[in-house]
Amino acid sequence: DTGVSQNPRHKITKRGQNVTFRCDPISEHNRLYWYRQTLGQGPEFLTYFQNEAQLEKSRLLSDRFSAERPKGSFSTLEIQRTEQGDSAMYLCASSDNFRTEYQETQYFGPGTRLLVL
Amino acid sequence: RKEVEQDPGPFNVPEGATVAFNCTYSNSASQSFFWYRQDCRKEPKLLMSVYSSGNEDGRFTAQLNRASQYISLLIRDSKLSDSATYLCVVKNTGYALNFGKGTSLLVTP
Repeated sequence: DTGVSQNPRHKITKRGQNVTFRCDPISEHNRLYWYRQTLGQGPEFLTYFQNEAQLEKSRLLSDRFSAERPKGSFSTLEIQRTEQGDSAMYLCASSDNFRTEYQETQYFGPGTRLLVL
Repeated sequence: RKEVEQDPGPFNVPEGATVAFNCTYSNSASQSFFWYRQDCRKEPKLLMSVYSSGNEDGRFTAQLNRASQYISLLIRDSKLSDSATYLCVVKNTGYALNFGKGTSLLVTP
Protein backbone atom coordinates (compact mmCIF):
# COMPACT_ATOMS: atom_id res chain seq x y z
CA ASP A 1 0.00 0.00 0.00
CA THR A 2 1.62 3.24 -1.09
CA GLY A 3 -0.92 5.61 0.44
CA VAL A 4 -0.70 7.68 3.60
CA SER A 5 -0.76 5.49 6.67
CA GLN A 6 -1.66 6.43 10.23
CA ASN A 7 -1.26 4.61 13.51
CA PRO A 8 -3.04 3.79 15.64
CA ARG A 9 -6.38 3.77 13.88
CA HIS A 10 -8.26 4.08 17.15
CA LYS A 11 -7.25 5.34 20.56
CA ILE A 12 -9.25 5.47 23.77
CA THR A 13 -7.70 7.34 26.65
CA LYS A 14 -8.64 8.88 29.94
CA ARG A 15 -8.75 12.61 30.44
CA GLY A 16 -5.38 13.96 31.46
CA GLN A 17 -3.33 11.31 29.69
CA ASN A 18 -0.91 12.02 26.86
CA VAL A 19 -1.36 10.45 23.44
CA THR A 20 0.83 10.31 20.35
CA PHE A 21 -0.20 9.56 16.79
CA ARG A 22 2.02 8.70 13.86
CA CYS A 23 1.66 9.52 10.18
CA ASP A 24 3.70 8.03 7.35
CA PRO A 25 3.20 10.08 4.18
CA ILE A 26 3.34 8.82 0.64
CA SER A 27 6.95 8.09 -0.21
CA GLU A 28 8.83 11.17 -1.42
CA HIS A 29 6.02 13.55 -0.53
CA ASN A 30 7.75 16.37 1.26
CA ARG A 31 4.61 18.25 2.35
CA LEU A 32 2.70 16.89 5.31
CA TYR A 33 -0.44 18.20 6.98
CA TRP A 34 -2.47 17.45 10.10
CA TYR A 35 -6.20 18.10 10.30
CA ARG A 36 -8.83 17.42 12.93
CA GLN A 37 -12.41 16.43 12.17
CA THR A 38 -15.25 16.31 14.66
CA LEU A 39 -18.64 14.76 14.05
CA GLY A 40 -20.74 16.67 11.54
CA GLN A 41 -17.92 19.03 10.63
CA GLY A 42 -15.41 19.20 7.84
CA PRO A 43 -11.73 18.70 8.61
CA GLU A 44 -9.96 21.67 10.22
CA PHE A 45 -6.34 22.46 9.49
CA LEU A 46 -3.90 22.09 12.36
CA THR A 47 -0.37 22.32 10.98
CA TYR A 48 1.84 21.93 7.92
CA PHE A 49 5.39 20.68 7.36
CA GLN A 50 7.66 21.20 4.40
CA ASN A 51 10.25 18.46 4.90
CA GLU A 52 11.21 18.75 8.58
CA ALA A 53 10.25 22.42 8.94
CA GLN A 54 6.90 23.26 10.52
CA LEU A 55 5.79 26.23 8.42
CA GLU A 56 2.19 26.83 9.42
CA LYS A 57 0.26 26.34 12.64
CA SER A 58 -3.42 26.94 13.22
CA ARG A 59 -4.77 28.75 16.25
CA LEU A 60 -6.48 25.43 16.96
CA LEU A 61 -3.10 23.98 17.85
CA SER A 62 -3.02 24.86 21.54
CA ASP A 63 0.01 24.56 23.78
CA ARG A 64 -1.02 21.01 24.59
CA PHE A 65 -0.50 19.97 21.00
CA SER A 66 2.90 19.43 19.44
CA ALA A 67 3.82 18.03 16.06
CA GLU A 68 7.19 16.94 14.78
CA ARG A 69 8.69 15.62 11.60
CA PRO A 70 12.31 15.14 12.64
CA LYS A 71 13.75 13.59 9.49
CA GLY A 72 11.32 14.93 6.98
CA SER A 73 9.61 11.59 6.58
CA PHE A 74 7.07 10.39 9.17
CA SER A 75 5.41 12.80 11.57
CA THR A 76 4.03 12.54 15.09
CA LEU A 77 1.26 14.53 16.73
CA GLU A 78 1.23 14.54 20.52
CA ILE A 79 -1.58 15.77 22.71
CA GLN A 80 -0.70 16.35 26.34
CA ARG A 81 -3.20 16.35 29.19
CA THR A 82 -6.03 15.28 26.92
CA GLU A 83 -9.48 16.79 27.41
CA GLN A 84 -12.85 15.42 26.34
CA GLY A 85 -13.01 18.15 23.70
CA ASP A 86 -9.99 16.60 22.01
CA SER A 87 -12.14 13.64 20.93
CA ALA A 88 -12.06 13.71 17.14
CA MET A 89 -10.64 12.10 14.04
CA TYR A 90 -7.07 13.23 13.43
CA LEU A 91 -6.25 13.15 9.74
CA CYS A 92 -2.86 13.34 8.11
CA ALA A 93 -2.35 14.31 4.48
CA SER A 94 0.64 14.60 2.21
CA SER A 95 1.49 16.12 -1.14
CA ASP A 96 4.52 16.48 -3.35
CA ASN A 97 6.29 19.70 -4.30
CA PHE A 98 6.10 19.24 -8.04
CA ARG A 99 3.08 21.49 -8.18
CA THR A 100 2.42 24.89 -6.72
CA GLU A 101 0.41 25.27 -3.53
CA TYR A 102 -2.62 26.11 -5.69
CA GLN A 103 -2.37 23.07 -7.93
CA GLU A 104 -1.32 20.40 -5.47
CA THR A 105 -3.52 17.52 -4.38
CA GLN A 106 -3.50 16.55 -0.73
CA TYR A 107 -3.89 12.81 -0.15
CA PHE A 108 -5.40 11.87 3.17
CA GLY A 109 -4.66 8.93 5.41
CA PRO A 110 -7.39 6.86 7.10
CA GLY A 111 -7.15 8.91 10.29
CA THR A 112 -6.76 8.15 13.97
CA ARG A 113 -10.02 8.24 15.88
CA LEU A 114 -9.46 9.52 19.42
CA LEU A 115 -11.94 9.15 22.25
CA VAL A 116 -11.17 10.85 25.54
CA LEU A 117 -13.20 9.53 28.45
CA ARG B 1 -19.44 33.17 9.85
CA LYS B 2 -17.62 30.12 8.56
CA GLU B 3 -15.37 30.66 5.60
CA VAL B 4 -17.02 27.91 3.55
CA GLU B 5 -20.76 27.32 3.82
CA GLN B 6 -22.69 24.33 2.54
CA ASP B 7 -26.22 23.05 2.96
CA PRO B 8 -25.69 19.93 5.09
CA GLY B 9 -28.68 18.14 3.57
CA PRO B 10 -29.32 15.27 3.57
CA PHE B 11 -30.25 15.07 -0.05
CA ASN B 12 -32.24 11.91 -0.74
CA VAL B 13 -32.56 11.19 -4.45
CA PRO B 14 -33.57 8.15 -6.49
CA GLU B 15 -31.12 6.40 -8.75
CA GLY B 16 -30.78 8.14 -12.06
CA ALA B 17 -31.69 11.56 -10.73
CA THR B 18 -29.67 14.71 -11.19
CA VAL B 19 -28.63 16.50 -8.02
CA ALA B 20 -26.81 19.79 -7.48
CA PHE B 21 -24.91 21.10 -4.49
CA ASN B 22 -23.89 24.67 -3.89
CA CYS B 23 -21.25 26.14 -1.68
CA THR B 24 -20.37 29.74 -0.85
CA TYR B 25 -17.07 31.12 0.38
CA SER B 26 -16.36 34.37 2.12
CA ASN B 27 -12.77 35.20 1.18
CA SER B 28 -12.65 36.94 -2.18
CA ALA B 29 -8.90 36.29 -2.33
CA SER B 30 -9.40 32.52 -2.39
CA GLN B 31 -7.19 30.90 -5.00
CA SER B 32 -8.14 27.26 -5.45
CA PHE B 33 -11.34 25.30 -5.18
CA PHE B 34 -12.10 21.61 -4.88
CA TRP B 35 -14.78 19.07 -4.18
CA TYR B 36 -13.78 16.17 -1.96
CA ARG B 37 -15.86 13.10 -1.28
CA GLN B 38 -15.96 11.42 2.11
CA ASP B 39 -17.57 8.05 2.75
CA CYS B 40 -18.84 7.24 6.22
CA ARG B 41 -15.92 6.88 8.67
CA LYS B 42 -13.38 7.15 5.85
CA GLU B 43 -10.89 9.78 4.81
CA PRO B 44 -11.73 12.58 2.34
CA LYS B 45 -10.72 11.92 -1.24
CA LEU B 46 -10.37 14.45 -4.01
CA LEU B 47 -13.31 14.27 -6.40
CA MET B 48 -12.34 17.15 -8.65
CA SER B 49 -10.71 20.53 -8.77
CA VAL B 50 -12.90 23.45 -9.80
CA TYR B 51 -11.72 25.83 -12.47
CA SER B 52 -13.06 29.23 -13.44
CA SER B 53 -14.11 27.94 -16.84
CA GLY B 54 -16.01 25.05 -15.28
CA ASN B 55 -15.01 21.46 -15.70
CA GLU B 56 -16.58 18.09 -16.21
CA ASP B 57 -15.51 14.58 -15.29
CA GLY B 58 -17.95 11.97 -16.50
CA ARG B 59 -21.22 12.45 -14.66
CA PHE B 60 -19.79 15.22 -12.48
CA THR B 61 -19.68 18.90 -13.41
CA ALA B 62 -18.16 21.61 -11.25
CA GLN B 63 -18.52 25.33 -11.72
CA LEU B 64 -17.07 28.38 -10.07
CA ASN B 65 -18.60 31.83 -9.93
CA ARG B 66 -15.96 34.18 -8.53
CA ALA B 67 -18.19 37.26 -8.69
CA SER B 68 -20.80 35.63 -6.47
CA GLN B 69 -18.25 33.53 -4.59
CA TYR B 70 -20.01 30.25 -5.01
CA ILE B 71 -19.08 26.82 -6.26
CA SER B 72 -21.42 24.14 -7.52
CA LEU B 73 -21.30 20.42 -8.14
CA LEU B 74 -23.76 18.68 -10.42
CA ILE B 75 -24.12 14.91 -10.43
CA ARG B 76 -26.05 13.39 -13.32
CA ASP B 77 -27.54 9.91 -13.47
CA SER B 78 -26.94 9.29 -9.76
CA LYS B 79 -25.69 5.85 -8.73
CA LEU B 80 -26.11 4.12 -5.41
CA SER B 81 -22.34 4.36 -5.03
CA ASP B 82 -22.54 8.16 -5.12
CA SER B 83 -23.98 8.11 -1.60
CA ALA B 84 -21.45 9.99 0.50
CA THR B 85 -20.69 13.38 2.00
CA TYR B 86 -19.45 15.97 -0.47
CA LEU B 87 -17.06 18.51 0.98
CA CYS B 88 -16.55 21.90 -0.60
CA VAL B 89 -12.95 23.03 -0.17
CA VAL B 90 -11.34 26.41 -0.66
CA LYS B 91 -7.69 27.32 -0.49
CA ASN B 92 -6.54 30.84 0.19
CA THR B 93 -2.86 31.79 0.28
CA GLY B 94 -0.79 29.17 2.01
CA TYR B 95 -1.25 25.43 2.11
CA ALA B 96 -4.21 24.84 4.40
CA LEU B 97 -7.42 23.48 2.94
CA ASN B 98 -10.59 25.13 4.26
CA PHE B 99 -13.44 22.65 4.32
CA GLY B 100 -17.15 23.20 4.50
CA LYS B 101 -19.20 20.98 6.79
CA GLY B 102 -20.17 18.80 3.87
CA THR B 103 -23.41 17.91 2.12
CA SER B 104 -24.80 14.44 2.69
CA LEU B 105 -26.17 12.59 -0.31
CA LEU B 106 -28.18 9.39 -0.18
CA VAL B 107 -29.08 7.75 -3.47
CA THR B 108 -31.89 5.24 -3.10
CA PRO B 109 -32.93 2.36 -5.36
